[in-house]
Amino acid sequence: GAGVSQSPSNKVTEKGKDVELRCDPISGHTALYWYRQSLGQGLEFLIYFQGNSAPDKSGLPSDRFSAERTGGSVSTLTIQRTQQEDSAVYLCASSLDPGYYGYTFGSGTRLTVV
Amino acid sequence: QQQVKQSPQSLIVQKGGIPIINCAYENTAFDYFPWYQQFPGKGPALLIAIRPDVSEKKEGRFTISFNKSAKQFSLHIMDSQPGDSATYFCAANQAGTALIFGKGTTLSVSS
Repeated sequence: GAGVSQSPSNKVTEKGKDVELRCDPISGHTALYWYRQSLGQGLEFLIYFQGNSAPDKSGLPSDRFSAERTGGSVSTLTIQRTQQEDSAVYLCASSLDPGYYGYTFGSGTRLTVV
Repeated sequence: QQQVKQSPQSLIVQKGGIPIINCAYENTAFDYFPWYQQFPGKGPALLIAIRPDVSEKKEGRFTISFNKSAKQFSLHIMDSQPGDSATYFCAANQAGTALIFGKGTTLSVSS
């Protein structure tokens, strides 16, 4: 596609429920990144994929968070047993490769845990 | 070692002014330093980037100044306009690793 697509754009969930966030990167981009943006906290790195493998998942906050990427394309970030502190905007980005190319970000999924 | 520290947190300038946003890094292995611009409700977008082999890079009204010995870099916006009002993020990385972002600077340009 022309840009990075994320869905849903907004998600309200009850505490304790599981949620899945989806990212469709730009076609041909081999690197895919997930970041979390909270008020005043900037962009917090979560995980990055090169193809279908994740060389760096050091930013995942706890074992409730997991992500996968299939076919070198779509990625899903799953948060199990959501907590209120998980409320944030989850941003996905892709780049041509994990070198020095600029990232193209999606518009994000705003997650609210009530 | 992995932090990128950005200041100020917020900035207000008049139209035509030259806002300056500063960033400092610790990891000497970093060798790519981009700036991103973010408007409300949108994802960040790449604005300009620099490698440490040059001390300055200009693209239109945006300039990055880079000081390798001080491990600092800054963004200058010449002749700022109300449309430049946004949040700006500096970032840094080395090849094969994800970008580490600063906490952002909210810029407001008044007309």
